[in-house]
Amino acid sequence: DAGVIQSPRHEVTEMGQEVTLRCKPISGHNSLFWYRQTMMRGLELLIYFNNNVPIDDSGMPEDRFSAKMPNASFSTLKIQPSEPRDSAVYFCASSFWDNSYEQYFGPGTRLTVT
Amino acid sequence: GQQLNQSPQSMFIQEGEDVSMNCTSSSIFNTWLWYKQDPGEGPVLLIALYKAGELTSNGRLTAQFGITRKDSFLNISASIPSDVGIYFCAGPNNAGNMLTFGGGTRLMVKP
Repeated sequence: DAGVIQSPRHEVTEMGQEVTLRCKPISGHNSLFWYRQTMMRGLELLIYFNNNVPIDDSGMPEDRFSAKMPNASFSTLKIQPSEPRDSAVYFCASSFWDNSYEQYFGPGTRLTVT
Repeated sequence: GQQLNQSPQSMFIQEGEDVSMNCTSSSIFNTWLWYKQDPGEGPVLLIALYKAGELTSNGRLTAQFGITRKDSFLNISASIPSDVGIYFCAGPNNAGNMLTFGGGTRLMVKP
């Protein structure tokens, strides 16, 4: 079975540019999570969705960050405009709603903003 | 908010040695999870614990849910080079639908 798929795996962009990260959850999972990982702050939850509906976005750092889930098999995390401090690894994870503790992570997108 | 503290932060051991790491919290958790992150990859769930006192094994890995519900332990027996990585503990937040992760224990194994 395919796991969580993320694209791109690496992204290098200049400050001020728009960045879009993509995620395809495991088929059948109805919860989706976006995390950010940095050396300083570790793994932080940014936002999560249940049945395509955003439930908690309190972890989204600023209005420059937005996330959407237009259907059960696709989600995006957008940063506009990007800043150097946004450089991090961004993970998408999915799970079943009734067992949301057992989350399955994608390979991550390493974002570098210069 | 809830915080999970992991120790040690890093370990450098010889292949074949046993490893022990732990995770503590100032508040009670009803579920503990242990994940492993290989370099350049996302975390992978190793063991989930749902009951205080529970002891669960997954191959050479054994995890325990502390009786106080404020701690959990992960042991690895007879370490091998592929055990290298970062081990995270995690637990659900008060609302029960999001995970809080510890800072991780970085394990390095010398062949």
